[in-house]
Amino acid sequence: DTAVSQTPKYLVTQMGNDKSIKCEQNLGHDTMYWYKQDSKKFLKIMFSYNNKELIINETVPNRFSPKSPDKAHLNLHINSLELGDSAVYFCASSQDPPAGGRETQYFGPGTRLLVL
Amino acid sequence: GNSVTQMEGPVTLSEEAFLTINCTYTATGYPSLFWYVQYPGEGLQLLLKATKADDKGSNKGFEATYRKETTSFHLEKGSVQVSDSAVYFCALSPRDTPLVFGKGTRLSVIA
Repeated sequence: DTAVSQTPKYLVTQMGNDKSIKCEQNLGHDTMYWYKQDSKKFLKIMFSYNNKELIINETVPNRFSPKSPDKAHLNLHINSLELGDSAVYFCASSQDPPAGGRETQYFGPGTRLLVL
Repeated sequence: GNSVTQMEGPVTLSEEAFLTINCTYTATGYPSLFWYVQYPGEGLQLLLKATKADDKGSNKGFEATYRKETTSFHLEKGSVQVSDSAVYFCALSPRDTPLVFGKGTRLSVIA
């Protein structure tokens, strides 16, 4: 069974469109994250939710809106897609919120978004 | 601020060669340190971690020692295999803040 799953795996779309990426974890974790990995493999945190509440919101355009319907799901909706949004987006989860490394994060396989 | 610097890749080695990937960090307080590995087409997996100074993390033949005096957490393996080809990320976790990743080092091992 996949611990952290994301759909879709690949997403190709036109500029200006709105798209969503879904993430589910079956590990019973309380905390979930979204990361963006650019073409140079640089990985950066975007958001984190703990028990459906937003706890981390890095400097991300407000075109990106995370939604957590329950602890096991954290979806990412992106409005008015731009060329610079092309990247790989990773979902992750951990048992506890960030607390000096006591938690291990488990990553999904990634969603490769290409904006044309 | 908190940051991680790791050696630029790509690194290409022959099978059974010795591997070192350098990682240094700046951080406030006493963070935990991690190495994550990303195999082609997959998400990141935790490879090893160390939570305090002088701790050694180890897994699958890889090792890294938390060196507070040199603010380093270099990854080593005595004999690499083709299956070790991947991108390796050094990361730190300061207290109550999310993981901060280095830029990744791509390793290619050739038979």
